Amino acid sequence: EVQLVESGGGLVQPGRSLRLSCAASGFTFDDYAMHWVRQAPGKGLEWVSGISWNSGSIGYADSVKGRFTISRDNAKNSLYLQMNSLRAEDTALYYCAKEYSSSWTAFDIWGQGTMVTVSS
Amino acid sequence: QSALTQPASVSGSPGQSITISCTGTSSDVGGYNYVSWYQQHPGKAPKLMIYEVSNRPSGVPDRFSGSKSGNTASLTISGLQAEDEADYYCSSYTSSSTSVVFGGGTKLTVL
Repeated sequence: EVQLVESGGGLVQPGRSLRLSCAASGFTFDDYAMHWVRQAPGKGLEWVSGISWNSGSIGYADSVKGRFTISRDNAKNSLYLQMNSLRAEDTALYYCAKEYSSSWTAFDIWGQGTMVTVSS
Repeated sequence: QSALTQPASVSGSPGQSITISCTGTSSDVGGYNYVSWYQQHPGKAPKLMIYEVSNRPSGVPDRFSGSKSGNTASLTISGLQAEDEADYYCSSYTSSSTSVVFGGGTKLTVL
């Protein structure tokens, strides 16, 4: 079964750091780009970051650039998001998503999400 | 970067057709054929319904179709069914540094 499972979310104080992980299974992980997409409570989807299959191409939303770092370990079939200098507006459900058929902008497999709450 | 513009809500009766618009600029929707559409039911992860403007992944009913004209993309659902009631989001590649931008979402109500 093709599956993505996120972990690492939780309650964190403003200015602190958190590292999210996404474990992939059921497909050849290193064939695909991977992305993080977040959704604030009651709000819409926001693309956060993406990384190509070989980590050669990486992109970030302006809202997280300079604070978040995406990475992957193909040997471990895992995707990561290092989040530093967290702000209240980073509070959201963070989804890990797989690109569809070499289309950087279409995501066909999503995890269940991990909730990040930034609050003092 | 600004989100793509979608209507907040649309509605239709079972069996009818509805269209959801997604308006961007020449830097995103109008400039590239990389528009996708997602369906999201409450408490669930999004589901890819359309990619590259008008292509359906396997398993998506052909009642769902996509198109684009200029800076506006559209999702049409024909033969509306109760289970189509959900939030729908468009997304596009963008030439800005962010590379992917989503629309604000449209709540579809099946009357």
